[in-house]
Amino acid sequence: DAKTTQPNSMESNEEEPVHLPCNHSTISGTDYIHWYRQLPSQGPEYVIHGLTSNVNNRMASLAIAEDRKSSTLILHRATLRDAAVYYCILVSTGANSKLTFGKGITLSVRP
Amino acid sequence: DAGVTQSPTHLIKTRGQQVTLRCSPKSGHDTVSWYQQALGQGPQFIFQYYEEEERQRGNFPDRFSGHQFPNYSSELNVNALLLGDSALYLCASSLAQASYEQYFGPGTRLTVT
Repeated sequence: DAKTTQPNSMESNEEEPVHLPCNHSTISGTDYIHWYRQLPSQGPEYVIHGLTSNVNNRMASLAIAEDRKSSTLILHRATLRDAAVYYCILVSTGANSKLTFGKGITLSVRP
Repeated sequence: DAGVTQSPTHLIKTRGQQVTLRCSPKSGHDTVSWYQQALGQGPQFIFQYYEEEERQRGNFPDRFSGHQFPNYSSELNVNALLLGDSALYLCASSLAQASYEQYFGPGTRLTVT
């Protein structure tokens, strides 16, 4: 499985945008970039995913570099509820591919 | 619409015992995956069930086994428990035809003493 590299932690202020980086220099052409997050004492939850183009949904935006070797998850206005561990995961094309989690990045949000 | 449910919430077992954890997938989902999450680590993939068969397996010993029932619910069994099996066990469900999003349950916290 291709690996991803994320900083260990990041801090942000409430109501400010947050950019969470992820490096995946060995990504293959058929790997999708997925982001999940895990709130304290909960199971992970899906945030967003993409292949080549930037993606937006109600939770976040995903910006993918042109060479696909890095991506950035963007939370437009951080809230205290966004404090969580965020995982960047590469998922091979194919039905029900397994998720290979790293350690993720721990986001703290200051009021 | 109920999401993924798991039982029990917490469990304490003694080394050498056997344990069974249960998972009910989100309504309409047909695929169940199990993950083990040690404290401070990301979840690690154990195996995945689809159409009542194990379709993929991670790097876990044969002490870990599972089952999927016709109603898509699933069980995870662990035999000969070791202290190192203490972890949060997560179940995730998805739809085979739309696998990009997996829904996770709250997990079962297993403590082996």
